[in-house]
Amino acid sequence: DAKTTQPTSMDCAEGRAANLPCNHSTISGNEYVYWYRQIHSQGPQYIIHGLKNNETNEMASLIITEDRKSSTLILPHATLRDTAVYYCIVRAGFGNEKLTFGTGTRLTIIP
Amino acid sequence: EAGVTQSPTHLIKTRGQQATLRCSPISGHTSVYWYQQALGLGLQFLLWYDEGEERNRGNFPPRFSGRQFPNYSSELNVNALELEDSALYLCASGLTTEAFFGQGTRLTVV
Repeated sequence: DAKTTQPTSMDCAEGRAANLPCNHSTISGNEYVYWYRQIHSQGPQYIIHGLKNNETNEMASLIITEDRKSSTLILPHATLRDTAVYYCIVRAGFGNEKLTFGTGTRLTIIP
Repeated sequence: EAGVTQSPTHLIKTRGQQATLRCSPISGHTSVYWYQQALGLGLQFLLWYDEGEERNRGNFPPRFSGRQFPNYSSELNVNALELEDSALYLCASGLTTEAFFGQGTRLTVV
C-alpha cells in the first residue's frame, strides 16, 4: 500500500509557482521521498528525490520538513506542459526496491 | 543514451489468447519493473526482475508471468486474456536511485 497522502487535485496559474504537498508520516529513516509525474497516457517521468536535505534540479525543488513527515514539490514557473498527475512515493534507498504508486495529485495549469 | 524501449506500442488480442510484451532497459540497468495501468486507474505493480531473477510480484494471478534475459531485457506474458486485462503496461528500469519508464504497450482485449 502507498505510504503517502496527497491532495486529489490542484490548479495553478501559468507562470506561477506550483506547490504540491505530500504527507508521509510513517517514513522510515532509510526511505527516500521520490516524485514522479505522468502526462496523459505516457510513462511516468522521474522528477526529483531526497532523503532529508532540500534538493533542487533543473525541473523542480523538493522541500522536506525537518521531521521528514511531509514534503513539498515546487515547480517554480509552471507552464501548460506541467499539467500532469504528480506522484509522491517513499522508497528504500537501496536494493532497487519497487516504486509503489498512490493516486497522486492531478495538477492543472491554467492559462 | 537510449531510454527504456517497449514493444509493441499497441496490441489487440482476443479474449482467451496470449499476449507477449517486451522491454529493453537502459544500458547498464539490471532491474526491470512491470506495471499495469487500467484506464482511469493508478499504476499497479506487477513484477520486478533483477539479474535474471524474479525478485517481487504484485497481487496478480499466475497467468501474468515474465522473464528476464541475460542481456537484461524482459518479457511479460499474459495468458488466457480477459477483457479486464485491457490496460497500459509500463516497463521501467532502474539503478539504486531513480527508475526510468518506457512509453508503454497498450493492450486491448476484445
